[in-house]
Amino acid sequence: AQSVTQPDIHITVSEGASLELRCNYSYGATPYLFWYVQSPGQGLQLLLKYFSGDTLVQGIKGFEAEFKRSQSSFNLRKPSVHWSDAAEYFCAVGGNTDKLIFGTGTRLQVFP
Amino acid sequence: EPEVTQTPSHQVTQMGQEVILRCVPISNHLYFYWYRQILGQKVEFLVSFYNNEISEKSEIFDDQFSVERPDGSNFTLKIRSTKLEDSAMYFCASSGSLAGAGETQYFGPGTRLLVL
Repeated sequence: AQSVTQPDIHITVSEGASLELRCNYSYGATPYLFWYVQSPGQGLQLLLKYFSGDTLVQGIKGFEAEFKRSQSSFNLRKPSVHWSDAAEYFCAVGGNTDKLIFGTGTRLQVFP
Repeated sequence: EPEVTQTPSHQVTQMGQEVILRCVPISNHLYFYWYRQILGQKVEFLVSFYNNEISEKSEIFDDQFSVERPDGSNFTLKIRSTKLEDSAMYFCASSGSLAGAGETQYFGPGTRLLVL
C-alpha cells in the first residue's frame, strides 16, 4: 500500500539548533517526494522536492532533504532553526498518478 | 509570485445544505485538484481535473461531490448535501502539467468548512 509515515508528531527545538524531521514512504513505483510547510492560517507551501538526479536536494528557507532509496526515507534537515520556522511540516509522495499522499505531519515548536 | 486563492476562508453550514467552495488556480495552470484535511488527520486527495474532466478521484469523492470549472478562472467543489463528517479544511491546488510527471502542485490557503 502507498503511504507516508512521519513518526514524530511534535518536535521542540531551541533557536539555532539543528533540525531533522523524519519521513518514510512506501510506494510501488518511482517516487517523487515533497516537503510542504503549513504556517497557522496559511496554505501548504512547497519547501523542496525530489524528482530525480542528485539525492540531496536544496529548498527554500535553508532547508535540505536527502532521498535514501535503500531506507525509503526522505528526511528534512536544517542546520540552524529560526523562530519563524515554527509550523507544521508535511512529507508527501507522488508518482505515476495525479494524487499526492501525505504524512500526518510534524509540528515544530521553536524556543528562543 | 502567482498563488492559488480560495474563498471563503471559513464557512459554517447546516447538515443537509449544499455548499460551493471556490478556488482561483494559478493563471497558466491546466491541472486542478481538491484535497481535504479533517482536523487532526492527514491531508487526503479528493479529485483531480483536467481539460474539463475528472482525471482521477478517490473513494471519498462520492456522488455528493462534484467539481466544475465554470469559467476561465474559477474551479469549484460542490457538496450537495453536507454531513457532519464533511467538516474539514478543503485545499485547492493547481499544477502546470501532469502531477504524475513529478510536477509541483501549488496549494491555496484552504477553506475551513464546519457542518452543524
